[in-house]
Amino acid sequence: GESVGLHLPTLSVQEGDNSIINCAYSNSASDYFIWYKQESGKGPQFIIDIRSNMDKRQGQRVTVLLNKTVKHLSLQIAATQPGDSAVYFCAELPYTDKLIFGTGTRLQVFP
Amino acid sequence: DTEVTQTPKHLVMGMTNKKSLKCEQHMGHRAMYWYKQKAKKPPELMFVYSYEKLSINESVPSRFSPECPNSSLLNLHLHALQPEDSALYLCASSQATGGNSPLHFGNGTRLTVT
Repeated sequence: GESVGLHLPTLSVQEGDNSIINCAYSNSASDYFIWYKQESGKGPQFIIDIRSNMDKRQGQRVTVLLNKTVKHLSLQIAATQPGDSAVYFCAELPYTDKLIFGTGTRLQVFP
Repeated sequence: DTEVTQTPKHLVMGMTNKKSLKCEQHMGHRAMYWYKQKAKKPPELMFVYSYEKLSINESVPSRFSPECPNSSLLNLHLHALQPEDSALYLCASSQATGGNSPLHFGNGTRLTVT
């Protein structure tokens, strides 16, 4: 069936290092992808999105890469900070209007 | 702070109670959503409203009853819930359905059914 999954459940990085969170998706018809950050006790917070006609998009300290050939999505966070500690979800929004979330990756930032 | 406001933040109810969750957004969005999230799991879609009409019901039990009184408000009426319904209930909105528009989430209502 359709699914969006992540390779690693937990990622630990040192403050100041770059973080890379990966995601695999299975619906080749999807044309829009979103990364969300969820802190404890809060709802998912929009970080960045990308459409299928792009392979890279940059925001403030974040970059999303899309490889449609292997159906892979990644989120890169530059100079990771303690405030980046959270669970990160990739999500796929196909034409069916059903936002499909991946399983999530917990990012832990150590001083 | 989120632009989608949910009340209450916490709710404890018995299995025979009737309660309602409320959601409000003033971003002019025309699509609104209810999601359910269990601990350490991703959010799961329950309902989608598009232009105040229910467009998607993900086979949710009838003890959950959504309502969209106007384009800014979304309610979820609860009746005869089970303990396994305890979860974080998230409301979201987007400019419209049809893709290419990110969902913006509230901080949720933490529901405990006793």
